[in-house]
Amino acid sequence: NIVLTQSPASLAVILGQKATISCTASESVNKFGINLMHWYQQKPGQLPKILIYNEFSRAPGIPARFSGDEAELNFTLTIEPVEADDVATYYCQQGLTFPYTFGAGTKLELK
Amino acid sequence: EVQLVESGGGLVQPGRSLKLSCVASGFTFNNYWMTWIRQAPGKGLEWVASITNTGGSTYYPDSVKGRFTISRDNAKSTLYLQMNSLRSEDTATYYCTREELTHYFDYWGQGVMVTVSS
Repeated sequence: NIVLTQSPASLAVILGQKATISCTASESVNKFGINLMHWYQQKPGQLPKILIYNEFSRAPGIPARFSGDEAELNFTLTIEPVEADDVATYYCQQGLTFPYTFGAGTKLELK
Repeated sequence: EVQLVESGGGLVQPGRSLKLSCVASGFTFNNYWMTWIRQAPGKGLEWVASITNTGGSTYYPDSVKGRFTISRDNAKSTLYLQMNSLRSEDTATYYCTREELTHYFDYWGQGVMVTVSS
């Protein structure tokens, strides 16, 4: 199984500053040149929402403040500038092989 | 507008069965794979089952394989999850999701709670 290790588990950021969330995959999630790594946002009491798919593509309606990147097997979700509405838990997910796996989540709070 | 509406959750004793349903609308149901994902109270997301658009193939993690069965009725735009031999660790909110080509989940239902307890 592909294990996704997310860090940090929680993150406190000042409004307007940058938040960086990491997701390290235990092996490649690349298929035909596309990294099948996806990011979700789950606000308190709400259902998850797709933010970024295929490593860096923003889902419809997602602002440019959210971006995805990759270096080797380390994927990052960056939020800059952070807004109050971004308080949520963020999950990475790989779609390369079964079983699909999720990271444990990163809880973003405001400092 | 895409809508996914789950039903069938509730309180069930360990070892018993439950069947969840998810009615889809706003898109061509038989063009998409569909997936169930669950979230235990206060925990993260766990993939439970996926089914191809025709229903010809199904996929499960080891944690539910042999106990859960995903199925679909394309004529009714409805997805199902038959859950047998339920355990306390199956207690969770179960989400019906639409699966995109590169295997991410772009639409989620509101979720249905399943509680397994004596």
